[in-house]
Amino acid sequence: GQQVMQIPQYQHVQEGEDFTTYCNSSTTLSNIQWYKQRPGGHPVFLIQLVKSGEVKKQKRLTFQFGEAKKNSSLHITATQTTDVGTYFCAGGANFGNEKLTFGTGTRLTIIP
Amino acid sequence: EAEVAQSPRYKITEKSQAVAFWCDPISGHATLYWYRQILGQGPELLVQFQDESVVDDSQLPKDRFSAERLKGVDSTLKIQPAELGDSAMYLCASSLGAIVRGTNEKLFFGSGTQLSVL
Repeated sequence: GQQVMQIPQYQHVQEGEDFTTYCNSSTTLSNIQWYKQRPGGHPVFLIQLVKSGEVKKQKRLTFQFGEAKKNSSLHITATQTTDVGTYFCAGGANFGNEKLTFGTGTRLTIIP
Repeated sequence: EAEVAQSPRYKITEKSQAVAFWCDPISGHATLYWYRQILGQGPELLVQFQDESVVDDSQLPKDRFSAERLKGVDSTLKIQPAELGDSAMYLCASSLGAIVRGTNEKLFFGSGTQLSVL
């Protein structure tokens, strides 16, 4: 079945440093979504990417979808304590069953 | 802002007992999902409903898990009997239900039910 892996599993950064998490799928994706889960909370939708090579920005967050639509990345510039949490990518495969498969997640902690 | 409601927030049970979780999606959302999230992992889809019909239950352990959405609104997930390995967060999510081939809708998650099986 479809597998979605993320690296790194954990990332500790000083406040103000940048952070990047990478998402890789074993199959070509029709679209990819990103979610953030705060400690003790539930996943909250951040963004969806659909087109090959697409780049979207949300303030300090930059999301990219790979040209082959098998990988994606999330980059946060100048991290803040509010960025703490686990970031999940979720890929949809165009096999007629548009089930989202969540990645393994990257847990971000900020050192003040 | 409308939210997905889930109850209970926490559930502690002994193995071999029955447990049930309830979910009320955002009003007007036709699609409802039950996910299981083991600590340190991403959510895994157990069952997906479109209105009252099951769309996908391929990952639902049907020997002990059951789910229903009788009137196409709220839903119940049941485990009987519970096993130690069932300890996890059970998340309910909903989406509008405007299914379009080749893409996915964004999901709105509830706060989840944290299940501990002793």
